[in-house]
Amino acid sequence: DSGVTQTPKHLITATGQRVTLRCSPRSGDLSVYWYQQSLDQGLQFLIQYYNGEERAKGNILERFSAQQFPDLHSELNLSSLELGDSALYFCASSVDVSGLYEQYFGPGTRLTVT
Amino acid sequence: DQQVKQNSPSLSVQEGRISILNCDYTNSMFDYFLWYKKYPAEGPTFLISISSIKDKNEDGRFTVFLNKSAKHLSLHIVPSQPGDSAVYFCAATTDQTGANNLFFGTGTRLTVIP
Repeated sequence: DSGVTQTPKHLITATGQRVTLRCSPRSGDLSVYWYQQSLDQGLQFLIQYYNGEERAKGNILERFSAQQFPDLHSELNLSSLELGDSALYFCASSVDVSGLYEQYFGPGTRLTVT
Repeated sequence: DQQVKQNSPSLSVQEGRISILNCDYTNSMFDYFLWYKKYPAEGPTFLISISSIKDKNEDGRFTVFLNKSAKHLSLHIVPSQPGDSAVYFCAATTDQTGANNLFFGTGTRLTVIP
């Protein structure tokens, strides 16, 4: 158990809909990262938050947004969903101290868009 | 553009023998490298890492080797055990941006045959 929790575990929704994925980082970790893993692909970095502020953006679509709340949990919002958005979405957290780059991953949310 | 590449999608090894997983990268700014192991229906689990100032790091049965001039790293598992059967992801990051988001390869599925 990494200490990172994600809900829900599975989500099935229709095209055009909007969903929210939730992540709680490990106790003490200030950084939260979101990754997308499509079929047969590596994990693609979407976005990073550090202590409530956006720190880095990767290949995140404009239809997607995220935020990190004062209690450090994070939500990833996906809107106007398309079939191609079906993927595993992982959240990770890290202590974000220089020299320590390990990230700890949650179990993921499997999103299926039909 | 895939900055971290794992060109072998799968590898089978007999129990007790050595497993060697390879990874290549293109971005010379990467200065920290990590290996993650992933079981089905779970998030990736951190395994071992190496800084660019080293060429080898060992942790029990796991050793990571880094060849900066070739932009290549490898993970050696000796002796391999059936419980090592999983997908292994190589990842890289740089402290240059301060963001520390990880760039992942597409993974190698290791099967250890009893």
